[in-house]
Formats: sequence, structure tokens, C-alpha cells
Amino acid sequence: GQQLNQSPQSMFIQEGEDVSMNCTSSSIFNTWLWYKQDPGEGPVLLIALYKAGELTSNGRLTAQFGITRKDSFLNISASIPSDVGIYFCAGQDNTGKLIFGQGTTLQVKP
Amino acid sequence: DGGITQSPKYLFRKEGQNVTLSCEQNLNHDAMYWYRQDPGQGLRLIYYSQIVNDFQKGDIAEGYSVSREKKESFPLTVTSAQKNPTAFYLCASSAGQVYGYTFGSGTRLTVV
Repeated sequence: GQQLNQSPQSMFIQEGEDVSMNCTSSSIFNTWLWYKQDPGEGPVLLIALYKAGELTSNGRLTAQFGITRKDSFLNISASIPSDVGIYFCAGQDNTGKLIFGQGTTLQVKP
Repeated sequence: DGGITQSPKYLFRKEGQNVTLSCEQNLNHDAMYWYRQDPGQGLRLIYYSQIVNDFQKGDIAEGYSVSREKKESFPLTVTSAQKNPTAFYLCASSAGQVYGYTFGSGTRLTVV
């Protein structure tokens, strides 16, 4: 099935550093979403983006919906240990179904 | 509070046995989904249902079956035909085309 290209696959950073990850697609999406999955739990929605070019923040998180509607990025500023987990991007198609990226595994060293 | 509940959290079965994973939501969502996640891997779609009494195969439906007799419930049966059933299974629901999914907390199935 179709999947988004999400990078990087994994990151190991020092506490306090900023983090950036992105997703690209060959298809256009009307909605982009970013989820975080804690170990052993289900993904939780972090940010939803509905318009091309939209830049949205949620605390230390900032995400943008690419102007071409084929890409999105997520930035995390001043990382803390509880930021550890897997981050997934997702594009929503016209049927409402989400197409997910492969995930970015983030580890934060205190 | 509204939410989506998966049970049990951990499930152990012997090889060759069928097993059913429960997923219940009280969010009044029309659409429900089942995903499989293997260690270090992304989410792979097994089955989805956009309305009661109707469901479609996802990318990896072989060896699985589902039913959608009620809006609130979307159980997944892992049959003995599934060659590698040990995995983390996630259920999700959605209100419509412009909303994301709400996920359950997952069921970790181990087949020995």
C-alpha cells in the first residue's frame, strides 16, 4: 500500500537540543497530521494541519503543511526526556483514510 | 469520557488457535480501523470499516477476519492461517474525512 517517506528513521539527541523531521509524498493531501506513540501505547494526535502553507504550534511543537500539499515537517524545540517515542506523520485522503509514514524514533539523552 | 478501548492489553495463544481482539468505541465514530505494528516498524492496515455491516481489506488482510455488526464494535479475529501473528495490534476510529484517528492503547499478541 501507499506510504509516505518520513525521515530521519531515528534520532538520538541530547536533552535541550531542537529536533526536526519531515514527510514527503507523491500524492496531494488535504490534511496532514502528526502523531506521537509512547512505548507500548497507541499513537496520540499532536498537531493537525488543514491548509497548504499553514504553520501551527502546540507548545514546543511546530508543524507546517507544505505549499505543494505533498510534504510536512515537525519541529520540537528544547527537547526533554519525555519527548522519547515514535513520531508518525499521516496524510488523509478523500475517503478519510490515513496514509502513514514509517515513523521517526526519537531518543533523548538526559 | 468518550474513548476507544482495546482489550485485553496482553494476549497469549498457542499456535494454531484462532483469537479475537476486542475494540469498542463510544465516540459515535462511523469509521473504524485495525493496524498491525511489528517492532521498529510502521503501521500496516489490516481491515477497515466506514459503516456498519460493511468493511474492506487493507494491505495485509490475509489470515485475519473482522465483523461490524454494531457501530461501537469492530472485533478482529487472528486465524490460524496468519503465519506470523505475534505483533502489536492497534484499533482506531474516525469521525469523517477531515478528522484524524483516535487510537486505542493496543493489544500485544504473543503466539507460542
